[in-house]
Parts: sequence; structure tokens; C-alpha cells
Amino acid sequence: DQQVKQNSPSLSVQEGRISILNCDYTNSMFDYFLWYKKYPAEGPTFLISISSIKDKNEDGRFTVFLNKSAKHLSLHIVPSQPGDSAVYFCAASDSGTYKYIFGTGTRLKVLA
Amino acid sequence: NAGVTQTPKFRILKIGQSMTLQCTQDMNHNYMYWYRQDPGMGLKLIYYSVGAGITDKGEVPNGYNVSRSTTEDFPLRLELAAPSQTSVYFCASSYSGAQSVDTEAFFGQGTRLTVV
Repeated sequence: DQQVKQNSPSLSVQEGRISILNCDYTNSMFDYFLWYKKYPAEGPTFLISISSIKDKNEDGRFTVFLNKSAKHLSLHIVPSQPGDSAVYFCAASDSGTYKYIFGTGTRLKVLA
Repeated sequence: NAGVTQTPKFRILKIGQSMTLQCTQDMNHNYMYWYRQDPGMGLKLIYYSVGAGITDKGEVPNGYNVSRSTTEDFPLRLELAAPSQTSVYFCASSYSGAQSVDTEAFFGQGTRLTVV
């Protein structure tokens, strides 16, 4: 049972435009959400996070939105740059456990 | 600042062989994790540890064992390698674990394992 889902395996965006990556979850106990970026042959690196008490968190070009009622979060990248081309994973956890549960990833390609 | 270090980076095993994937971190993190990444399947948690001497199963523990004798090291053991264990393995650590907000896991560069 996939508790964290990223239904778009890939996404292509023109440089300078907005990239929107989506993530859905099923476990209502999740209260902390993270986005990771992964380049080929490297480990995932942390990008941005949000706790369930917020509905938005912003860090430079990256903004994460959380809609708890829909169990949905999204990552917005504005403006997109070619260096943003990578696989993006969303992850979730609940404060009652010690585990991060990851989605299947979305491959973003930013076209110059 | 090394962070999380995994060895080896690549390995080919024959069916039935055993091996240990090494993971060490120098950030004094209590929480450590092992994930595997299969193509199109995301990251699946194999085992995790909340401190030295304490380990627990994740989503896909079958065929693996772990130990945590020190804070720094969290080796993953494959006893009887099978083709289904062909994957990329990532070790990660975090300061306060997923139970605390405003914390994240730091990952190693991964070990690519092929079982033939």
C-alpha cells in the first residue's frame, strides 16, 4: 500500500516558467512533509519541508503548499532553471514514529 | 565534513553470496536508516535505528539484517543474495528522527548492488 504517491513520473518545463510537482498521501497521521531532490549517482538532498500546522512554506524559488483536507501537497519552483533538472521525491512522517515514507519520485526536466 | 559515507559504491554478487554494506556518519545523529531504490518505485525503508543497540524493521526487511553497536555505524547485511535484491541502497541519518518537525534526513551517495 503506497501511502505517499507521486502520480506524475515525469514533467518537462521551459526555463523561466513555473514547475509544479504534486504529491498525495493517504495516512491522516502524517504531520510533517519534506521534498528531496536527487541527481543521478548521488543521494537525495533535502530541499524544503512543511509541518501540518502550516499551509505554505517558502524558501527562495521553492514553495511548498499543503492542503490537509485533500491530503495533497505541491512543490512550486519559480523560475525554473536547467540546474533544477532532477528527480524530486516527497516524503512524509508522523511524530509518533521515527520513519520517513517516500513517494515514487517525479523526474523534472527544465528545457533551456 | 564527510556527512554520511557508504561503502562500497558498486558491487556485483552471485546468488547465495553474502555481503555487508557499510554506513558511517560523523554528525553524531541518533537516527539512522537504510532505504532501497528500485526503478520507478521510490525509496523503500528496510531498517532503521533510533540509537546504538536499537533497531527496527521498516517496510521491506526480508532478506536483510542490521546492527547498531555505535552511534556512527549502521551496517546492512545481506545473508543469501537474491536477484530481487538488485537495487541501489541508501543510508541516511537524522538528528532527532521523523518524530520531530524541522528536521530532515541526510543521505549517503548510495551503493549500487547487482545480484547475478
